[in-house]
Amino acid sequence: EAQVTQNPRYLITVTGKKLTVTCSQNMNHEYMSWYRQDPGLGLRQIYYSMNVEVTDKGDVPEGYKVSRKEKRNFPLILESPSPNQTSLYFCASTTRDTREQYFGPGTRLTVT
Amino acid sequence: QQQVKQSPQSLIVQKGGIPIINCAYENTAFDYFPWYQQFPGKGPALLIAIRPDVSEKKEGRFTISFNKSAKQFSLHIMDSQPGDSATYFCAASKAAGNKLTFGGGTRVLVKP
Repeated sequence: EAQVTQNPRYLITVTGKKLTVTCSQNMNHEYMSWYRQDPGLGLRQIYYSMNVEVTDKGDVPEGYKVSRKEKRNFPLILESPSPNQTSLYFCASTTRDTREQYFGPGTRLTVT
Repeated sequence: QQQVKQSPQSLIVQKGGIPIINCAYENTAFDYFPWYQQFPGKGPALLIAIRPDVSEKKEGRFTISFNKSAKQFSLHIMDSQPGDSATYFCAASKAAGNKLTFGGGTRVLVKP
């Protein structure tokens, strides 16, 4: 089944404790993105990657890091999480030839 | 500032009614306007999309109307059903693989 998977689905952590949210897609897509969803603001792009070893900032990159060492994986790293990073996070992927983005099931992060 | 503004934030209709969700955009470089549907606990999924050279597009009970001169587009759900209860996001993008710029979302509840 073609899909985007994320882990963990739920995470509660404390301020300053480094964490990684994994994302993997099995559709051989070149493009991958991370979005955060907040009430009333829709989804906002954090970082994106157009291919292996190629990443760039989205609209709200502060406090986040990413890496793309393999085509299928695109982890999101929070080196020192803060309460304002409490949000619902989505990974998405697409190809360079299409417009439809395929979203993962989401990771709900709470930082206390 | 939000480049895509969506209204209303929430909507309640009776079964069979026609919820209408409106979006307005600023950037004339946008050339692809999708609507995503999101059920609780799930990631957004593409519902229907339109390009600016078309004024209307129908897929089943879902219709997009597009007004290029006003920079506005809307989603109509004909003969709405309780199973249509979800959050709907409009979005816009500039190129294949490019990020989606989302509106703030509309929570639609269809009462039986």
